[in-house]
Amino acid sequence: SQELEQSPQSLIVQEGKNLTINCTSSKTLYGLYWYKQKYGEGLIFLMMLQKGGEEKSHEKITAKLDEKKQQSSLHITASQPSHAGIYLCGADYGSQGNLIFGKGTKLSVKP
Amino acid sequence: GAVVSQHPSRVICKSGTSVKIECRSLDFQATTMFWYRQFPKQSLMLMATSNEGSKATYEQGVEKDKFLINHASLTLSTLTVTSAHPEDSSFYICSARLLAGYLETQYFGPGTRLLVL
Repeated sequence: SQELEQSPQSLIVQEGKNLTINCTSSKTLYGLYWYKQKYGEGLIFLMMLQKGGEEKSHEKITAKLDEKKQQSSLHITASQPSHAGIYLCGADYGSQGNLIFGKGTKLSVKP
Repeated sequence: GAVVSQHPSRVICKSGTSVKIECRSLDFQATTMFWYRQFPKQSLMLMATSNEGSKATYEQGVEKDKFLINHASLTLSTLTVTSAHPEDSSFYICSARLLAGYLETQYFGPGTRLLVL
């Protein structure tokens, strides 16, 4: 079974609406990374969380890591068409430093 | 689901030697592949975009003469680290882009850990 589950797989929202993407790990995380991918382009780093209970924000995007360090959520407030893309979470379990990625969430924002 | 492989998974080499890393899409054709580099405890950084049959597009700060990329076929891209030095030690990961109609998905390889002594 997948170590890292990301949900939902895809999401279609109306412009201006809020949305949340979740990333759940079967093991305790050393760190959790969020990336965004625009169609046809490489990954764009959004945020990295390491401490239990940590929360970071960048513009209208907020990411949280729970106290147990097994679940993270990415919340977008007042979504815009520019937020559309694929969002990936990447888990660092601290053993080798490489990331295990979730399968991604495809976000579409309707104007 | 679609699978992307990387070879080798780990490599240790002496300073000054060149190392080739292969990225293969096993069950689909990928006109575009991406190469990333990750330093320990840091995020992935996009190095270059590899396009089949044409020159790779490198990100700012990435030396194209040092990191040679060849995308000779629709299922294979190679990254050659030339005259490797200890500071090149890192985790290199590729991804392959799959287009199916209007849908696009990107699949990542498992990564290659390079240690230059």
